[in-house]
Amino acid sequence: DADVTQTPRNRITKTGKRIMLECSQTKGHDRMYWYRQDPGLGLRLIYYSFDVKDINKGEISDGYSVSRQAQAKFSLSLESAIPNQTALYFCATSDLSRGGYNEQFFGPGTRLTVL
Amino acid sequence: DQQVKQNSPSLSVQEGRISILNCDYTNSMFDYFLWYKKYPAEGPTFLISISSIKDKNEDGRFTVFLNKSAKHLSLHIVPSQPGDSAVYFCAASARLYTGTASKLTFGTGTRLQVTL
Repeated sequence: DADVTQTPRNRITKTGKRIMLECSQTKGHDRMYWYRQDPGLGLRLIYYSFDVKDINKGEISDGYSVSRQAQAKFSLSLESAIPNQTALYFCATSDLSRGGYNEQFFGPGTRLTVL
Repeated sequence: DQQVKQNSPSLSVQEGRISILNCDYTNSMFDYFLWYKKYPAEGPTFLISISSIKDKNEDGRFTVFLNKSAKHLSLHIVPSQPGDSAVYFCAASARLYTGTASKLTFGTGTRLQVTL
């Protein structure tokens, strides 16, 4: 079974619709992240959470919001989707307990298309 | 402002030869570097990392070299195999700085194709 799961894996929606992407992990990690990948731009951080009560903006948080419902769950919402939010979205987790090394473990991704 | 740069979008190497993927960074606070590998329809997976206190780290066929004065790192794969064909991302973090230690800054990726 996958340690980091994302639902849905693919989604097509229309401009102005609200959409939620969900991430669950069984790794027991405290830290969770949302990234988006665009061609030629690599992975860019949207939001990150160090624990259930801690939410931080990443480099491209405008137009997005997140919810950390539990240690194992971290959701990303697009309140009113727009076409330039079409991208591949990844959730990741990490645990800094091992001497501060930040190896992040990624989910399989959600391909979102906004028409 | 791209703090981590991978200037080669793609690289083609013959099976058995050495693959060298390069990465440059501009932020002098970065002190920990990672390489991730990504296959189509999958998330990135961790490959190898290096701390700034070292200049080389080796794991099987994979070796990462760090040149701090040049702010440059490279990933060597020897020998290259067809299964190594993937997109490789370089990433960096300012590990020792509270509040930013968990944040990774990624490069744009290099697509490696290993041909038979």
